Amino acid sequence: AQSVTQLGSHVSVSEGALVLLRCNYSSSVPPYLFWYVQYPNQGLQLLLKYTSAATLVKGINGFEAEFKKSETSFHLTKPSAHMSDAAEYFCAVRRSNFGNEKLTFGTGTRLTIIP
Amino acid sequence: KAGVTQTPRYLIKTRGQQVTLSCSPISGHRSVSWYQQTPGQGLQFLFEYFSETQRNKGNFPGRFSGRQFSNSRSEMNVSTLELGDSALYLCASSVGNRGGTEAFFGQGTRLTVV
Repeated sequence: AQSVTQLGSHVSVSEGALVLLRCNYSSSVPPYLFWYVQYPNQGLQLLLKYTSAATLVKGINGFEAEFKKSETSFHLTKPSAHMSDAAEYFCAVRRSNFGNEKLTFGTGTRLTIIP
Repeated sequence: KAGVTQTPRYLIKTRGQQVTLSCSPISGHRSVSWYQQTPGQGLQFLFEYFSETQRNKGNFPGRFSGRQFSNSRSEMNVSTLELGDSALYLCASSVGNRGGTEAFFGQGTRLTVV
């Protein structure tokens, strides 16, 4: 079975500072990994995905994540936080070799940006 | 290209009633998944349909059911509503035939049971 753990349910950073949101995964097979963002009263929007093509993945809005197999991690980063980045972020994992589409989500990290 | 459309956006129902939620996937997507989001349990997988067949099911009671039509549109039904069913219900669509393809989510239906 696969699972993800997001360390820190709340993270606060100053505007212009580095954003680092942590995600560790557990999977019995090589995983596909995703980061989603959710704004209040909205659905989930895909930020980026890892599908084994490259370990450093660049996404939308200046976010990127690095897949580290030795650390079973897929942390999300952004060099300079913007006020519009305030939202909830979810890491998700899916088994790579099955046709069904179940995503297993972490518990989420709420990001607050301090002006 | 139109995104995933969920209707209605908001619903208020009384305990014991039943409710039907609708999801129209992105054109060409054959897989539709449903998730329940609550503050206490987070995002929980309900079920997934591909070409009108349920391929996967989460750990929810039989009061939760779904179906998919030939045009890939999907509905989920909850019977005998309980207060604990109050949640944001999210639908996601994807191509569905490869594990790495991303899921695109709708805006969700906010269900309140009173």
